[in-house]
Amino acid sequence: DVKVTQSSRYLVKRTGEKVFLECVQDMDHENMFWYRQDPGLGLRLIYFSYDVKMKEKGDIPEGYSVSREKKERFSLILESASTNQTSMYLCASSPTGGWSPLHFGNGTRLTVT
Amino acid sequence: AQSVTQLDSQVPVFEEAPVELRCNYSSSVSVYLFWYVQYPNQGLQLLLKYLSGSTLVESINGFEAEFNKSQTSFHLRKPSVHISDTAEYFCAVTLTGGGNKLTFGTGTQLKVEL
Repeated sequence: DVKVTQSSRYLVKRTGEKVFLECVQDMDHENMFWYRQDPGLGLRLIYFSYDVKMKEKGDIPEGYSVSREKKERFSLILESASTNQTSMYLCASSPTGGWSPLHFGNGTRLTVT
Repeated sequence: AQSVTQLDSQVPVFEEAPVELRCNYSSSVSVYLFWYVQYPNQGLQLLLKYLSGSTLVESINGFEAEFNKSQTSFHLRKPSVHISDTAEYFCAVTLTGGGNKLTFGTGTQLKVEL
């Protein structure tokens, strides 16, 4: 089974802090994604990556950046956390091909106070 | 750009009753369509997908969805639900030539009651 592991299940940070959300997949997938999930808004794509050191903006990249130095790891960075970034963050991976399903981690619930 | 509309945010239903969760999409080009399910405190899991061919697709746990191109819909149905089907269901779409960049709907919370 594909395993996508997000390092923290719950995280509480203060406004202005730099926050790192880590995601690791064990199936040698080329593609990795970061979504945020909010009630009534569904999942919205923040950033994605089709290969190591490659990154592309999704629909809501403002206030976020990403890093992919190794194929299996995709990090989401909040440079200066704000309260409107309180959310559930979901990482996903997939092999190449639009027909390939995404495999999701269990999510990190981030609260910014 | 493509978009997905899930008209119902919550659907309550009694156990063993049938259910339909509605999904409509908009796109000017060919798409792949997916339904994902999220059980409490878990990530999303693929339920079923439409890529091409037969417009009716089925999952291993009794759900089915029908691709209707003329109505741009991909509704999810199950003839008899179980308590364990209680979860949030997300419809998603991607362009056939657009990699795996999925656009998700806002989700439908299915609550099965005794």
